Amino acid sequence: QVQLMESGGGLVNPGGSLRLSCAASGFTFSDHYMTWIRQAPGKGLEWVAYISGSSSNTKYADSVRGRFIISRDNAWTSLYLQMDSLRAEDTAVYYCARMDTSYGLSFDHWGQGTLVTVSS
Amino acid sequence: DIQMTQSPSSLSASVGDRVTITCRASQTISEYLNWYQQKPGKAPKFLVSAASSLQSGVPSRFSGSGSGTDFTLTINNLQPEDFATYYCQQSYSTPSTFGQGTNLEIK
Repeated sequence: QVQLMESGGGLVNPGGSLRLSCAASGFTFSDHYMTWIRQAPGKGLEWVAYISGSSSNTKYADSVRGRFIISRDNAWTSLYLQMDSLRAEDTAVYYCARMDTSYGLSFDHWGQGTLVTVSS
Repeated sequence: DIQMTQSPSSLSASVGDRVTITCRASQTISEYLNWYQQKPGKAPKFLVSAASSLQSGVPSRFSGSGSGTDFTLTINNLQPEDFATYYCQQSYSTPSTFGQGTNLEIK
């Protein structure tokens, strides 16, 4: 079965950096777009970034463009999110999700999430 | 960006009730509308794609409908495990955007 496992969250100072990882299994990783979605404490869901199977296509939300970089390693079936210049408003649980592109872009399997806290 | 607005924001209902959650898009999105269920402390679960297609394993008491700008998620015969927060999401254009959520609580 599809499994996604995030890691790398933690407490970081404003202006600092963090790299999140997502280990995938149970499906052909390179065939799927992958994405990061976040949820601030007590708030709703916010799409952050996505990447195509070949890494040739990436998109970012305006709120993170220029600060975050999404990448993947198909050999290691892993997804990454490099987060730089972190701000308090980046505090959230970050979910990685597999995307289904058969009709638009939907998120058909999610990891359990990893908490990022930006605070001094 | 396309704005998604859900109503109501919260809803109280009893086991066995029928409830309807509405999602409205700020511009037409055809049927590029998905629904997710989230329970406290858990990741969202994909329920419905393309406005009305139930994902595998989702009980038939759930149904989705709509097109254009107005969509609904209906749950018949509410069960205890259905009490959760529900989100709609438009997949018509990037950035993909979610509604603010509807918290379905036990009355």
